[in-house]
Amino acid sequence: NAGVMQNPRHLVRRRGQEARLRCSPMKGHSHVYWYRQLPEEGLKFMVYLQKENIIDESGMPKERFSAEFPKEGPSILRIQQVVRGDSAAYFCASSPIQQGQGQNTEAFFGQGTRLTVV
Amino acid sequence: GESVGLHLPTLSVQEGDNSIINCAYSNSASDYFIWYKQESGKGPQFIIDIRSNMDKRQGQRVTVLLNKTVKHLSLQIAATQPGDSAVYFCAENNAGNMLTFGGGTRLMVKP
Repeated sequence: NAGVMQNPRHLVRRRGQEARLRCSPMKGHSHVYWYRQLPEEGLKFMVYLQKENIIDESGMPKERFSAEFPKEGPSILRIQQVVRGDSAAYFCASSPIQQGQGQNTEAFFGQGTRLTVV
Repeated sequence: GESVGLHLPTLSVQEGDNSIINCAYSNSASDYFIWYKQESGKGPQFIIDIRSNMDKRQGQRVTVLLNKTVKHLSLQIAATQPGDSAVYFCAENNAGNMLTFGGGTRLMVKP
């Protein structure tokens, strides 16, 4: 859905560099989710955030990965010291309320950031 | 662990025919299911959802069926069109915070 904006669309990093992926949710949405997708596979949940709070990071690797959703500005997924195995498409989704509760709770996805580590 | 999986990785249909994409889930506590369509190079696009208190829901040209007894979900697309060619994912929600996605089925529509 064009309403969720992710940038950059493509990102190339050398091993050991840092990658910063940005996500601006749809207007009025305060819930943000990050997913990772390897080629020919489904999306894997990484982290769920609300403004200034990490609600669920059970899918995040313990090291090198971090996420934030500040009071002002986009949500950021940060990967430090990237390795080739980090190469994937990273998708951000947003919803107006927590997924699965109430009406109109589907999450809208951005176009993704395709990270390539060389 | 709990998982969502699909029976067929690739489905090829003739334009104008109906398509049925299947999905099996294993978590009986899941209460909300969504079908997404993903075209090459794009993000998943919401198609239709269904809650566990329903067994059928219809949209425009699409119908989702839920069989909780056998933990089975299906997506039916009527009069399949070339624009329907994509990878389709089912996803389940049971913990409130995230969706668990299946591996995907590639739908190919032959003209």
